[in-house]
Amino acid sequence: EVQLVESGGGLVQPGGSLRLSCAASGFTFSSYDMHWVRQATGKGLEWVSAIGTAGDPYYPGSVKGRFTISRENAKNSLYLQMNSLRAGDTAVYYCARGGAAAGTVDYWGQGTLVTVSS
Amino acid sequence: QLVLTQSPSASASLGASVKLTCTLSSGHSSYAIAWHQQQPEKGPRYLMKLNSDGSHSKGDGIPDRFSGSSSGAERYLTISSLQSEDEADYYCQTWGTGMGVFGGGTKLTVL
Repeated sequence: EVQLVESGGGLVQPGGSLRLSCAASGFTFSSYDMHWVRQATGKGLEWVSAIGTAGDPYYPGSVKGRFTISRENAKNSLYLQMNSLRAGDTAVYYCARGGAAAGTVDYWGQGTLVTVSS
Repeated sequence: QLVLTQSPSASASLGASVKLTCTLSSGHSSYAIAWHQQQPEKGPRYLMKLNSDGSHSKGDGIPDRFSGSSSGAERYLTISSLQSEDEADYYCQTWGTGMGVFGGGTKLTVL
């Protein structure tokens, strides 16, 4: 059974940093692209970052230069380092596995809440 | 620029069928998409991958009541024999040049 378990969310002040982790199990982690997707309260899903099997990262303009995605295949783990956090980054962050259609996802974690506030 | 457009809301009666639409922006009509469901207060759940030719492959445990089809730049999700638990937000998703894209979501109300 595929499982994705996020951790590391919490309350952080504007300008601060946070590192999210995602523990994967039930599949060959190194063989899949991985994604982070976020959702602010009452809003839709927003793609945040992706990393290919070769470690190639992808970001939208809204987080590029502030967020860094990485993976550690030996530990079946995905990470998201978030720096220079803003109030607009407040959301539930989901870890997701890359799907068969390029860039889509086919399994989701339960999410971890990040709150950026003073 | 790759954009996915969804109607904000839809409604249908218990036991009826409903067809939700996701429209790809101009020049992207060959793109495959994924459909996701998000029930109230829950995380998203993958429903299916849908190709431009209408072929689709569903996720684990997704009932036969859920099906997909395509026409040009439109991607459809049809839910038949609507049940109360189908009341949810439905999102389409695809991939552009180096970045992921989600539609704005459709809130489905089961009457």
